Amino acid sequence: EVQVVESGGGLVQSGGSLRLSCAASGFTFSSYEMNWVRLPPGKGLEWISYIDFRGTTMYYADSVKGRFTISRDNARDSLYLQMNSLSLEDTAIYYCATGWTPGSGWHFHSWGQGTLVTVSS
Amino acid sequence: VLTQTPLSSVTLGQPASISCRSSQSLVYRDGNTYLSWLHQRPGQPPRLLIYKVSTRLSGVPDRFSGSGAGTDFTLSISRVEAGDVGVFYCMQVSQVPYSFGQGTKLEIK
Repeated sequence: EVQVVESGGGLVQSGGSLRLSCAASGFTFSSYEMNWVRLPPGKGLEWISYIDFRGTTMYYADSVKGRFTISRDNARDSLYLQMNSLSLEDTAIYYCATGWTPGSGWHFHSWGQGTLVTVSS
Repeated sequence: VLTQTPLSSVTLGQPASISCRSSQSLVYRDGNTYLSWLHQRPGQPPRLLIYKVSTRLSGVPDRFSGSGAGTDFTLSISRVEAGDVGVFYCMQVSQVPYSFGQGTKLEIK
């Protein structure tokens, strides 16, 4: 069974940093592109970052570009999101989601339960 | 930018449709249109329902169908059930940055 589990969320002060992790199991992690998506309180889903199979190509939403860094460790079946210079607007549930894999036509098929990041002033 | 119908209130057993309009064509260079529909119930992660405009994921009831082309897309529910409450999102991965519509909250009358 495909499973992704996020961790690392918590309460952090404005201007601080946090590193989120996403542990993958039940599938060949290195064959999947991966993404981070967030859900701010009372708002809709926001895609924030993408990484390709080998971790050589990354994309970011404008709202996090220059502050967040996505990375992966295929040997550990893990995805990461380093978040720096956090602001109140970064408060959200952060989801890890699988992307495209060869032979599939879909993206964002499997999601974790999310990890809550709360930024305080 | 993806713009969705903001709110939908539907009677149980009746049909519903949600529109999603893109500010640009979502046809990718390979000829496919990577427009998907997801559903999120309160307190749950999103669930992928439909991808490439109209392909239903395995296990998704055939009450759900997707249609459209270019910049205009629709999610149709033939008969709304109580479990359909929540927020429906369209999303596109034809262009970077990827994006979601703002969501359509489905309520039962």
